[in-house]
Amino acid sequence: SAVISQKPSRDICQRGTSLTIQCQVDSQVTMMFWYRQQPGQSLTLIATANQGSEATYESGFVIDKFPISRPNLTFSTLTVSNMSPEDSSIYLCSVGRGQSSNGYTFGSGTRLTVV
Amino acid sequence: QKEVEQNSGPLSVPEGAIASLNCTYSDRGSQSFFWYRQYSGKSPELIMSIYSNGDKEDGRFTAQLNKASQYVSLLIRDSQPSDSATYLCAVNRGDSSYKLIFGSGTRLLVRP
Repeated sequence: SAVISQKPSRDICQRGTSLTIQCQVDSQVTMMFWYRQQPGQSLTLIATANQGSEATYESGFVIDKFPISRPNLTFSTLTVSNMSPEDSSIYLCSVGRGQSSNGYTFGSGTRLTVV
Repeated sequence: QKEVEQNSGPLSVPEGAIASLNCTYSDRGSQSFFWYRQYSGKSPELIMSIYSNGDKEDGRFTAQLNKASQYVSLLIRDSQPSDSATYLCAVNRGDSSYKLIFGSGTRLLVRP
């Protein structure tokens, strides 16, 4: 399976600021997703990062708040903009090859605390 | 009704016992089913996948799927304290999407 490097591993940010999270994969992957896991809860899909085009966002998530870039098949960034304490969460990138039937691998996550 | 439902637990079993984790899903078009294990403070790790009705075994793990009942389960034989974690059931969307929907997870505690 793919090896994923996600940075930063954690950060404490002031409200109103933005944080960009990076996801680097050791090989080309077709599918890349960004998830959020709030404390004590399961994973919620934020968006699908599409190479060469705009990301596809899930209901409740918008581009202005969570802009995503995917310049190539091995790299993506997620920015959490204008942060509030409610954005405190773990953010995870996930990658897969081919069909979803192969399952997906997760990065190590970014633990974000907004104060 | 949630798309993927799991009992939050905790499910407590003694070491050496069989742990049985259950999951139901609402989308009849779903075709791919996964179990992830998540240790506290860590990211989810894929441990089993199943696509056809019946059982699939991998070491101490057995996944069971019943599409008619929209039910997936995970059996862990000879449970070890190191199996103590949260187990997440994930199902792909039935609209041929590549997206996975996760349940809320079941916390498993294996008592030494």
